[in-house]
Amino acid sequence: AQTVTQSQPEMSVQEAETVTLSCTYDTSENNYYLFWYKQPPSRQMILVIRQEAYKQQNATENRFSVNFQKAAKSFSLKISDSQLGDTAMYFCAFRPRSWGKLQFGAGTQVVVTP
Amino acid sequence: KAGVTQTPRYLIKTRGQQVTLSCSPISGHRSVSWYQQTPGQGLQFLFEYFSETQRNKGNFPGRFSGRQFSNSRSEMNVSTLELGDSALYLCASSLGQEEETQYFGPGTRLLVL
Repeated sequence: AQTVTQSQPEMSVQEAETVTLSCTYDTSENNYYLFWYKQPPSRQMILVIRQEAYKQQNATENRFSVNFQKAAKSFSLKISDSQLGDTAMYFCAFRPRSWGKLQFGAGTQVVVTP
Repeated sequence: KAGVTQTPRYLIKTRGQQVTLSCSPISGHRSVSWYQQTPGQGLQFLFEYFSETQRNKGNFPGRFSGRQFSNSRSEMNVSTLELGDSALYLCASSLGQEEETQYFGPGTRLLVL
């Protein structure tokens, strides 16, 4: 069974600053995908970024980037130049390549302050 | 393209009743997955449908069931509602291929009284 652990329940960051969210996972699979989703107060789950395990290059999407360490089973998210609209719950998720179930972590609440 | 839509958005039921939630995937997407989100248990996988067939199932009692239609729209049904079924039910769609990302709908908030 796969598990996903997010050890930071809440993080606060000022506008324009950088924040890093941690995520670790446990799996015996070799081919899988990792995702970060954000869930703002509207509760709409929005994809932030995705990483394929077979790719060594870390994924980036504008101000969002990941640090993927496969051997350490670590997948952190860095939010640069934080904006008020980044305030949301951030979920790390794991999915084996072979089937569609997403396994989510408990989430990290990010609060961006002026 | 229109996103994933879910109806109704809010629902109040009483214990013992049953409820049906609907999900319309993104056009062209053939896979629909359902998740339950509660403060205590977090996000939990219910089931996945692909081409009208249940492909994967989570660890939920038989009161939770679903189906998918030929147009890929999906419904989930919960019978004999319990207070603990109060949750946000999220539907996600994908093309259904191995590496496809799941895109979520806005969810249905169910309150069981």
